[in-house]
Amino acid sequence: EAQVTQNPRYLITVTGKKLTVTCSQNMNHEYMSWYRQDPGLGLRQIYYSMNVEVTDKGDVPEGYKVSRKEKRNFPLILESPSPNQTSLFFCASSLISGSLIDTQYFGPGTRLTVL
Amino acid sequence: GENVEQHPSTLSVQEGDSAVIKCTYSDSASNYFPWYKQELGKGPQLIIDIRSNVGEKKDQRIAVTLNKTAKHFSLHITETQPEDSAVYFCAANSWGNDMRFGAGTRLTVKP
Repeated sequence: EAQVTQNPRYLITVTGKKLTVTCSQNMNHEYMSWYRQDPGLGLRQIYYSMNVEVTDKGDVPEGYKVSRKEKRNFPLILESPSPNQTSLFFCASSLISGSLIDTQYFGPGTRLTVL
Repeated sequence: GENVEQHPSTLSVQEGDSAVIKCTYSDSASNYFPWYKQELGKGPQLIIDIRSNVGEKKDQRIAVTLNKTAKHFSLHITETQPEDSAVYFCAANSWGNDMRFGAGTRLTVKP
């Protein structure tokens, strides 16, 4: 089954404790992206990647890191989480057609609480 | 960068009526405009999209219109059903593939 998976689905942590949220897709998509979703603000893009070893900042990259060492995986790293990073995070992937992204497929989400 | 505004934030319609959600964008270079439906506890799912070389696209009860001059695009759902109840997001690309989303519209279809 074609899908985007994220782990963990739920995480409660404390300020300053480094964490990684994994994202994996099995559709051989070039494009992968991370979003955070907050009430009244919709989805805001954190980082995206057009292919292996190519990453770019989105709208709200501060406090996050990503890496794209393999085509299928795009982990999101919070080196020193803070309470304002409490949010619902979504990973997404897409084919690229003529340098433009196509339909994005979203993962099920990771709800993060930073105390 | 791109700024996408979406209205209304909530919309309630009677089953069988039509629903219209509107979005405006600021970057004249944007050329890809998808619409997503998000059900409770799930990730957004694409329902329809349109590129800037097309003015209208239809898929059964769902249609999207794009006015590039005015920089706005709209989602139209006809013959609404209770299962259409969800949060809908519009989006537009900025600087190529940096996606910007609207704040969302919570649609409720009353039986």
